[in-house]
Amino acid sequence: AQKITQTQPGMFVQEKEAVTLDCTYDTSDQSYGLFWYKQPSSGEMIFLIYQGSYDEQNATEGRYSLNFQKARKSANLVISASQLGDSAMYFCAMREGWRGNMLTFGGGTRLMVKP
Amino acid sequence: DVKVTQSSRYLVKRTGEKVFLECVQDMDHENMFWYRQDPGLGLRLIYFSYDVKMKEKGDIPEGYSVSREKKERFSLILESASTNQTSMYLCASSLGVTDTQYFGPGTRLTVL
Repeated sequence: AQKITQTQPGMFVQEKEAVTLDCTYDTSDQSYGLFWYKQPSSGEMIFLIYQGSYDEQNATEGRYSLNFQKARKSANLVISASQLGDSAMYFCAMREGWRGNMLTFGGGTRLMVKP
Repeated sequence: DVKVTQSSRYLVKRTGEKVFLECVQDMDHENMFWYRQDPGLGLRLIYFSYDVKMKEKGDIPEGYSVSREKKERFSLILESASTNQTSMYLCASSLGVTDTQYFGPGTRLTVL
């Protein structure tokens, strides 16, 4: 079974609008962490946001927020007020307690922001 | 800022060649990682190291080996490159076990 599932291979969003990128995960661990990374065409992976399984509040970092629904095992990334520079691949990743610092990544979503 | 650098952005090698991919980080991080990235599959962990001369297999270690002789440097070795190892290779580092991983720019390897 897939540990991290990103069901949207590609998405379009109009500049200045908000967009939600979906991520569902599968783990039996109680202790885990969820990450979102951005990969522009240059190739470098840029860390965006982190949510721990015990965090009660949804994580936020500037225009990025993580909609964490533990019972549904989802950790969707919300980007508010999209900008042209947000066009990139976005990856959801999970760290499970028993795997230490090893990350499992989803297949990614390509976001394209239209002017 | 954390800086992770990789020796080459693009590399072309022939089947059967021995290939070295080098990664250097400048933030005194304990942990270093090698991933490969393929379309639709995301990133998959090949090997990681949590200390000098220490290494652990990741999810897809077959056909690869690693070396960490100094804390700042982590090398990925393809002993005999094959065409199915054509991929993007990404190196990452983190300070501690639960800390965020920071990535280098990647090396796109083509094996002919």
